[in-house]
Amino acid sequence: DTEVTQTPKHLVMGMTNKKSLKCEQHMGHRAMYWYKQKAKKPPELMFVYSYEKLSINESVPSRFSPECPNSSLLNLHLHALQPEDSALYLCASSHGLRGSPLHFGNGTRLTVT
Amino acid sequence: DAKTTQPPSMDCAEGRAANLPCNHSTISGNEYVYWYRQIHSQGPQYIIHGLKNNETNEMASLIITEDRKSSTLILPHATLRDTAVYYCIVRERVNEGAGNNRKLIWGLGTSLAVNP
Repeated sequence: DTEVTQTPKHLVMGMTNKKSLKCEQHMGHRAMYWYKQKAKKPPELMFVYSYEKLSINESVPSRFSPECPNSSLLNLHLHALQPEDSALYLCASSHGLRGSPLHFGNGTRLTVT
Repeated sequence: DAKTTQPPSMDCAEGRAANLPCNHSTISGNEYVYWYRQIHSQGPQYIIHGLKNNETNEMASLIITEDRKSSTLILPHATLRDTAVYYCIVRERVNEGAGNNRKLIWGLGTSLAVNP
């Protein structure tokens, strides 16, 4: 079990669908992250929110749209994805202070058909 | 950019110490070294981190060389449940004046197999 909760655990969607991934933490962390991980590769950073504001966008295609409604919640809205977007999507959070480690959820396994 | 280099795989006998090395020769003076592990189909799990001094917690010990160009993660008594991919990571500052906006620079990790 982790303190960062991601839903759903698995998601299968077609290329014309719109879906959302959700992430929640109640540790009082002020920084939240989205990562994408392909098989046998390390996680790749997508977005960072700091105090509910987007602070890093790693040139992610616009078919991925992040949202941070409040300091405990992070969403990733998906639209018109491609099969190559199939991956494990990981959410993480941290205090946001210098040196503070990230705490990860167990991810959403996304398959785009 | 600070980067890390790790052996792709290692084996360890159950009950023995597992020593996982990492090279980070381009690390900057104010960058931390982090260790995470990832068990199949789960999210990465934080293990330990350090700046200059050696660190120990309930999971592991972290030994950082004096020149900070390399470090070793030590699992003192490895169990079968320690079988995982272990990532050594440094943190890169990406935006001057943007507070603590930094990104973790992940290596390819070491796949540790603990054998009975």
